Amino acid sequence: AQKITQTQPGMFVQEKEAVTLDCTYDTSDPSYGLFWYKQPSSGEMIFLIYQGSYDQQNATEGRYSLNFQKARKSANLVISASQLGDSAMYFCAMREVLSGGSYIPTFGRGTSLIVHP
Amino acid sequence: DSGVTQTPKHLITATGQRVTLRCSPRSGDLSVYWYQQSLDQGLQFLIHYYNGEERAKGNILERFSAQQFPDLHSELNLSSLELGDSALYFCASSAGLAGGLRDTQYFGPGTRLTVL
Repeated sequence: AQKITQTQPGMFVQEKEAVTLDCTYDTSDPSYGLFWYKQPSSGEMIFLIYQGSYDQQNATEGRYSLNFQKARKSANLVISASQLGDSAMYFCAMREVLSGGSYIPTFGRGTSLIVHP
Repeated sequence: DSGVTQTPKHLITATGQRVTLRCSPRSGDLSVYWYQQSLDQGLQFLIHYYNGEERAKGNILERFSAQQFPDLHSELNLSSLELGDSALYFCASSAGLAGGLRDTQYFGPGTRLTVL
């Protein structure tokens, strides 16, 4: 079963506007972490933002914020004031801790974001 | 630049061959993870090593193996290669075992493997 679902294969946004990338997850573990990564066309994976399941506030990192709705199991990424350089694939990921402290991270299929000038 | 290095950047080989991908983690990081990214499977976690010890296995084929050496660099060995093994292979490192759930993974630039 899919643990991370990104329903938007592609998104378009005008430069300087805000955009929301959707992510829903599935876990029965009360303790987990959620991550967003950016993958530009050059291929590298760039860490953007982290949200812990026990964090009371939504995470923010510069122009990135995470709209965390625990009851709905969603962790949407909001990019404010989009820039042309934001054009990339965006991946949502979840980490659950296994016994012994290790874990298996699960990634969604990604959303391609294109920012228009 | 994440501080994680991977060599080679590109690798072209034939079916049935064996290749070794190398990863050097960020200075001070003890954990190394390997991932495979392909168009049909997306980004798949393969294996996790912490301070030389295997900690978790994901969707890693039996033809694939990995190890982490005392200097903490890691190698991913892929043998009896098939066309379907063509993919981008990423290594990522992080500071600790789990470091709490906040232990962030930093990815290397990847190795593009093409099997002909």
